[in-house]
Amino acid sequence: SQKIEQNSEALNIQEGKTATLTCNYTNYSPAYLQWYRQDPGRGPVFLLLIRENEKEKRKERLKVTFDTTLKQSLFHITASQPADSATYLCALDMSSSASKIIFGSGTRLSIRP
Amino acid sequence: DAGVIQSPRHEVTEMGQEVTLRCKPISGHDYLFWYRQTMMRGLELLIYFNNNVPIDDSGMPEDRFSAKMPNASFSTLKIQPSEPRDSAVYFCASSLHGRGVDEQFFGPGTRLTVL
Repeated sequence: SQKIEQNSEALNIQEGKTATLTCNYTNYSPAYLQWYRQDPGRGPVFLLLIRENEKEKRKERLKVTFDTTLKQSLFHITASQPADSATYLCALDMSSSASKIIFGSGTRLSIRP
Repeated sequence: DAGVIQSPRHEVTEMGQEVTLRCKPISGHDYLFWYRQTMMRGLELLIYFNNNVPIDDSGMPEDRFSAKMPNASFSTLKIQPSEPRDSAVYFCASSLHGRGVDEQFFGPGTRLTVL
């Protein structure tokens, strides 16, 4: 069965640096992949979606890459700020009729001033 | 728009009782999703609807779980009878065009505790 792994449970970096989060999956590539942000006690908030035929997507300080050969997506936050501290989830969607959306367990990102 | 609305925000019940969670999606959204989040299993998709019709319920864990969407502005997730292992945060989400097209908007969640 499809498995998804986010590189680390927690990541601590200095304000102003680039945060890079990793999402790896096994088996077959999803039709698309999403990244979400979740703050404590709140629901996930959608950030970016990237399709299997896309290599890279950007939105302001955020960038997502998708490498179907490596079976990996990288999520970058440039010029990180303490307000970026949250848990980040990646989600795979195989987008077939009997499929499910599979979420990673998340990476807790802390940006220290 | 107020966003996705869920009620109650917290529910504490005893094992064996029936639990009903409620969701009001964003007006005009055609897709509605129910998720469950636990520390052990993370975020799991339980079921989703398109235009009030259940499309995929393969994530529903057992027959004790059922979901309905009687109209475009209301959905329920029912657990009967509830068990302690059902304790989790249950999220409802909605989207305009569905999976792979645009984003899902999540509600604040219902924290369910089954004693």
